[in-house]
Amino acid sequence: RKEVEQDPGPFNVPEGATVAFNCTYSNSASQSFFWYRQDCRKEPKLLMSVYSSGNEDGRFTAQLNRASQYISLLIRDSKLSDSATYLCVATGNNDMRFGAGTRLTVKP
Amino acid sequence: NAGVTQTPKFQVLKTGQSMTLQCAQDMNHEYMSWYRQDPGMGLRLIHYSVGAGITDQGEVPNGYNVSRSTTEDFPLRLLSAAPSQTSVYFCASSYSFPGPGGTREQYFGPGTRLTVT
Repeated sequence: RKEVEQDPGPFNVPEGATVAFNCTYSNSASQSFFWYRQDCRKEPKLLMSVYSSGNEDGRFTAQLNRASQYISLLIRDSKLSDSATYLCVATGNNDMRFGAGTRLTVKP
Repeated sequence: NAGVTQTPKFQVLKTGQSMTLQCAQDMNHEYMSWYRQDPGMGLRLIHYSVGAGITDQGEVPNGYNVSRSTTEDFPLRLLSAAPSQTSVYFCASSYSFPGPGGTREQYFGPGTRLTVT
């Protein structure tokens, strides 16, 4: 079982929709959490960190539930440019563990 | 500002051949790492380094060696290539390990697509 599990999707949504991605992690000692975005055949790039109290960056909201070892990402008012794969990340002892990614396609 | 650079972009090897994937960063980052990305598996950590002269194994280190003689460079060596090593390899760096409390974003290079036949 992978340390970080994500629903692979794909999620196909119309422009303007709200979409939520979920992620679970198995290492209870994980301290830091992130969402990365990866465009097709490109390198991953940091989308946002995930803080215990939850945090928002424009249309993006990230939540962390330590008790359930669960992380979420909410995208409001989806844009065509949001089409990408979203990677959930949890830190281990001295490394980062990535989920396999959730693929999102936003259609006109 | 070059950021993280990787060479080559593409490589085809025959089984048993060895080669070195190059990675360099110009941001004076202490933490560097190598990942491989396979369909359905996500990114898996091969080796990492917390500073010059210090390296450690990640999740999937077998068949790979690394060294960190300078802050800037972190080459990955394939000792005897096998078809199971066909993958996309990403090098990444950050100011320090992305630990508690900070963003400490990891910057990734553009990747090397390796095929072993």
